[in-house]
Amino acid sequence: QQPVQSPQAVILREGEDAVINCSSSKALYSVHWYRQKHGEAPVFLMILLKGGEQKGHDKISASFNEKKQQSSLYLTASQLSYSGTYFCGTEAVDSGGYQKVTFGIGTKLQVIP
Amino acid sequence: DTEVTQTPKHLVMGMTNKKSLKCEQHMGHRAMYWYKQKAKKPPELMFVYSYEKLSINESVPSRFSPECPNSSLLNLHLHALQPEDSALYLCASSQEATLPSSYNEQFFGPGTRLTVL
Repeated sequence: QQPVQSPQAVILREGEDAVINCSSSKALYSVHWYRQKHGEAPVFLMILLKGGEQKGHDKISASFNEKKQQSSLYLTASQLSYSGTYFCGTEAVDSGGYQKVTFGIGTKLQVIP
Repeated sequence: DTEVTQTPKHLVMGMTNKKSLKCEQHMGHRAMYWYKQKAKKPPELMFVYSYEKLSINESVPSRFSPECPNSSLLNLHLHALQPEDSALYLCASSQEATLPSSYNEQFFGPGTRLTVL
């Protein structure tokens, strides 16, 4: 089942902050975050495992609330290079024990000077 | 080498043609994936290979036929495609396809942009 992402689009000025949310109605093993620039492949940002962990990568961090089945991606002091479409991917294990990641619709983020 | 390569970059084919997409990784990953991505949409999982065996087939039509000749290579054979199959086809790999873990990030290739006429 596809996770729900919000907002669908956001425009920021350089230096501003943004939050992208991802939620699922199903119990989650983990949440993946990827960024895809136009015409390029998705690039991995981070994985969060259940247990309510938070992670950070430069000025991009994320949290995962297992009980609420929600994850949020935080972008602080945004840079022009942050522009792109951000996908959350929720991981479930199928009946055969294999990992499946289902991506949300994506959030198009544009950082302007 | 943390790269996944895909060939060709672009492919135009008719509905009666047979073609193949190729994907290669040399990271020692044992899981490989095919995704289909339409414009302004997220990647949609098609197939998962784990240790060279087809583990997940997301009810993909038989005109798409995956093959994993060895742990580094993944092919997608195309036959009698429809115009609606036009999309970006992404290959990805990860360490494992079983059990979630902190190390199971997926590395994506640049994709093959397929146009079916």
